[in-house]
Amino acid sequence: GAGVSQSPSNKVTEKGKDVELRCDPISGHTALYWYRQSLGQGLEFLIYFQGNSAPDKSGLPSDRFSAERTGGSVSTLTIQRTQQEDSAVYLCASSLSWQGAYEQYFGPGTRLTVT
Amino acid sequence: LAKTTQPISMDSYEGQEVNITCSHNNIATNDYITWYQQFPSQGPRFIIQGYKTKVTNEVASLFIPADRKSSTLSLPRVSLSDTAVYYCPRLNNAGNMLTFGGGTRLMVKP
Repeated sequence: GAGVSQSPSNKVTEKGKDVELRCDPISGHTALYWYRQSLGQGLEFLIYFQGNSAPDKSGLPSDRFSAERTGGSVSTLTIQRTQQEDSAVYLCASSLSWQGAYEQYFGPGTRLTVT
Repeated sequence: LAKTTQPISMDSYEGQEVNITCSHNNIATNDYITWYQQFPSQGPRFIIQGYKTKVTNEVASLFIPADRKSSTLSLPRVSLSDTAVYYCPRLNNAGNMLTFGGGTRLMVKP
């Protein structure tokens, strides 16, 4: 079946511009996660959605970052007024539920470059 | 606070067995132990999960001692395509998400 998809695969933007990154989770997965991975580093948790519950935004690095999940499916991560330190690969993952956090399915990521 | 620790990197040669150990400091009684694999330019991929003793699947084996303070991921007869970063993430206190550290970068040489 279809896995987690993300778009765009690559995004180059100028400092100060806003960007939107999209994630399509696996159908039926109620939990959705966003992570950020800088070059050669581990994954940094950003935000977590579970069903219709309020998202856990504890990992968002600043108020320039926001995310929403419409209809319990597709999610969009928005970065406003991008900075060079925002350059990273943004990964989305989904799992069957919060109880399935152990087994997350990751998308291929969006590589964001801020010039 | 629960924390996992693993070597930063390892080298191996094709055909060898590779064992990567992770220490699970303060692992909670109900927590499972999981391992992920990440190839360059891809998202991490779930490999294996266990609670105690030994678990084996088509990809790897996972050994967990009785005290559960560590785990060892065993890759039999590695090939060049096993070159990747291997993570043993820990579950957060709320039990609803994983925290990934830097992982172990495995380099398999011909």
